[in-house]
Amino acid sequence: EVQLVESGGGLVQPGRSLRLSCAASGFTFDDYAMHWVRQAPGKGLEWVSGISWNSGSIGYADSVKGRFTISRDNAKNSLYLQMNSLRAEDTALYYCASREPLWGAFDIWGQGTMVTVSS
Amino acid sequence: SYELTQPLSVSVALGQTARITCGGNNIGSKNVHWYQQKPGQAPVLVIYRDSNRPSGIPERFSGSNSGNTATLTISRAQAGDEADYYCQVWDSSTADVFGGGTKLTVL
Repeated sequence: EVQLVESGGGLVQPGRSLRLSCAASGFTFDDYAMHWVRQAPGKGLEWVSGISWNSGSIGYADSVKGRFTISRDNAKNSLYLQMNSLRAEDTALYYCASREPLWGAFDIWGQGTMVTVSS
Repeated sequence: SYELTQPLSVSVALGQTARITCGGNNIGSKNVHWYQQKPGQAPVLVIYRDSNRPSGIPERFSGSNSGNTATLTISRAQAGDEADYYCQVWDSSTADVFGGGTKLTVL
């Protein structure tokens, strides 16, 4: 079964750090670019960051640039998001998603992990 | 930065056709993807590259893209189609961008 499972979310104080993980299974992980997309409570989807199959190309939304770092370990079929200097506006459900290489669309999504930034 | 504009809500009578638009500057030159998100669930891809359906998506879902507007069309709308729908593109200046989302209500 094709699956993405996120973990690492939780309640964290402003200014602190958190590391999210996404475990992939059921497909050839290193064939796919991987992304993080978040959704604040009651709001729409916001692309956060993406990484190419070989980590050679990385991008970030302006809202997280300089604070978040995306990485992957193809040997472990895992994607990560290191989040530093967290702010209240980072509170959201964080999804990992794969980008189908021929379609260009996000074809597989995890169920998300919730990050709450609050004192 | 590139922006996508969707109506906040669209209503459709059961069995009729719903059309959800996604506006963007010269969006017709880009590949548009559409996602369906039901409450408490992760998004699901329903249309990729303007008008293509992934395996398992009913033929009732179709898409088009021209000029400054892309459109998701849902024919013979069912109660189970009630959801939020998001368009998405990749732009060289902004990377991946989502529209604000449209809530579809089936009456």
